[in-house]
Amino acid sequence: GENVEQHPSTLSVQEGDSAVIKCTYSDSASNYFPWYKQELGKRPQLIIDIRSNVGEKKDQRIAVTLNKTAKHFSLHITETQPEDSAVYFCAASMSGTYKYIFGTGTRLKVLA
Amino acid sequence: GAVVSQHPSWVICKSGTSVKIECRSLDFQATTMFWYRQFPKQSLMLMATSNEGSKATYEQGVEKDKFLINHASLTLSTLTVTSAHPEDSSFYICSAREGDRGRTAKNIQYFGAGTRLSVL
Repeated sequence: GENVEQHPSTLSVQEGDSAVIKCTYSDSASNYFPWYKQELGKRPQLIIDIRSNVGEKKDQRIAVTLNKTAKHFSLHITETQPEDSAVYFCAASMSGTYKYIFGTGTRLKVLA
Repeated sequence: GAVVSQHPSWVICKSGTSVKIECRSLDFQATTMFWYRQFPKQSLMLMATSNEGSKATYEQGVEKDKFLINHASLTLSTLTVTSAHPEDSSFYICSAREGDRGRTAKNIQYFGAGTRLSVL
């Protein structure tokens, strides 16, 4: 079955700097890759997603890139702010089952 | 739009009792609902996929007789933890997707706020 690895597990950056989180997946049939942000004690919230027919997607300060050949995708946050501090999860999914296999999560701390 | 409500948010029960958790899609019809378990500071582990009107599909290692899932309508799925024991204590989260003919993208899952279960 699908396996998703995520790095790093923790990441501290200074406010205003960029943060990059990387994920790799194992099943080449996966074709949808969402990123969720989870603040302490709250539900995961979708922040951006990308489909396998696209290499890059951007939404304001957040961008995601996908390399299908290498089976990895990355989340980029620019101009980080303290409110970006949270746990970020990547996931891989495929048409048919639509189930998500999540990465292990990255705890991002933005230092003011 | 696309709101998922989960109830209760927190439950404490005695060992050996059963606990039911409800997951409702409030403004859309959920073709599929998913149940996850999350341990402290860990990832979301998929337990089962619940399709309306059919039996749930459980992930490897998840006991279906222990975690009973019912998806009786397009807006409600329930997870019952039967004969709960302290090792079942965890954070349980549901999610829902609208389906291929909905107004939301078919891949997107919308999450409930979770239920923290503590078994004494």
